[in-house]
Amino acid sequence: NAGVMQNPRHLVRRRGQEARLRCSPMKGHSHVYWYRQLPEEGLKFMVYLQKENIIDESGMPKERFSAEFPKEGPSILRIQQVVRGDSAAYFCASSLLGEGTEAFFGQGTRLTVV
Amino acid sequence: TQLLEQSPQFLSIQEGENLTVYCNSSSVFSSLQWYRQEPGEGPVLLVTVVTGGEVKKLKRLTFQFGDARKDSSLHITAAQPGDTGLYLCAGAKDSSYKLIFGSGTRLLVRP
Repeated sequence: NAGVMQNPRHLVRRRGQEARLRCSPMKGHSHVYWYRQLPEEGLKFMVYLQKENIIDESGMPKERFSAEFPKEGPSILRIQQVVRGDSAAYFCASSLLGEGTEAFFGQGTRLTVV
Repeated sequence: TQLLEQSPQFLSIQEGENLTVYCNSSSVFSSLQWYRQEPGEGPVLLVTVVTGGEVKKLKRLTFQFGDARKDSSLHITAAQPGDTGLYLCAGAKDSSYKLIFGSGTRLLVRP
């Protein structure tokens, strides 16, 4: 299966802990996007990365959240000192090119903060 | 501010019925995509429309992009229980990579 792979599928963290979400894009895709989905809502854009570069992080909270897409390995979305409001499904998507191209989504990581 | 409004929010119909889901905005989009999302899964791309007035068919699903590229509709003919899911429209402005999602229409097709 050459689709977008996210892990873990489910993650439980206590308040104040760190959460690390991983995303391996489709083979050959160098553009990665992270979205967040709250219960009963649509997806909200967080950040767009190319290899080793953050292109647009306008949807990501300024504090506690960071993202990277290193030259080797998966893209990582890191949430430090998690709070209950961070509980959501986090989806990664990848595309072959950037603007105007179709993005394909992974199955998501469901983060629960207790 | 919700740029893309989807209606209805919920729809429960009997197998074999037809239905239409709407995605409306006051903004112009360069392209619009429809996804279906099942519980616990990620959105799966159904179609992308880019030209005003464009109509695309995918088996029993018909997608239309409004002439002004501000709205879209999804029509399902003879719905089946397998069509059950959350239908999301998502628009991109000015060929941007950033997708703006509607809040979705949750469809239940009863056998």
